Amino acid sequence: GQSLEQPSEVTAVEGAIVQINCTYQTSGFYGLSWYQQHDGGAPTFLSYNGLDGLEETGRFSSFLSRSDSYGYLLLQELQMKDSASYFCAVTNYGGSQGNLIFGKGTKLSVKP
Amino acid sequence: NAGVTQTPKFRVLKTGQSMTLLCAQDMNHEYMYWYRQDPGMGLRLIHYSVGEGTTAKGEVPDGYNVSRLKKQNFLLGLESAAPSQTSVYFCASRTGTGGNEKLFFGSGTQLSVL
Repeated sequence: GQSLEQPSEVTAVEGAIVQINCTYQTSGFYGLSWYQQHDGGAPTFLSYNGLDGLEETGRFSSFLSRSDSYGYLLLQELQMKDSASYFCAVTNYGGSQGNLIFGKGTKLSVKP
Repeated sequence: NAGVTQTPKFRVLKTGQSMTLLCAQDMNHEYMYWYRQDPGMGLRLIHYSVGEGTTAKGEVPDGYNVSRLKKQNFLLGLESAAPSQTSVYFCASRTGTGGNEKLFFGSGTQLSVL
């Protein structure tokens, strides 16, 4: 089967840095994605890692280690608007090509 | 460019009733997905499609059927609704080409089964 593990909640203060970890177990792993979802809204894409290493997009960075089945999302210079849920997701190939599974999400609360 | 459009946005059903949720995308995407979201459970994959005329089961397919007769549309059907199917349903699509895994989501359908 497939599984993704990420912390359920994280709290940080405005201006700080926070890291949200994601570990996964899946067959036919292709890549790891991250999505943001504000309360009452739809998920929106943040980043994708298909290769090991760090991908940077503005204040957000995402890291992948395929050998460790591990990745993380790094949010810098936190702002109040970053309060949201963050989901990691794995994409598979081969027999499950197209299969895209999400973790249960991490609720980030940014305090003043 | 509307992106991904879901209809209806809200629906209340009685146990045993049937309904179809429609998802339409205008981005010529190959891959389309139906997810349900329940508190504390994240997004769970119901069914997905990797191209016109194809469908595949996801994590929680029981009680649902899907069809992809046209590339731009992906329909989710509930033949006999149950209270356990009360949820928020999201449709999503992506190109499917290597290295581009960005999912585009619709705005969601809030379904209540009484």
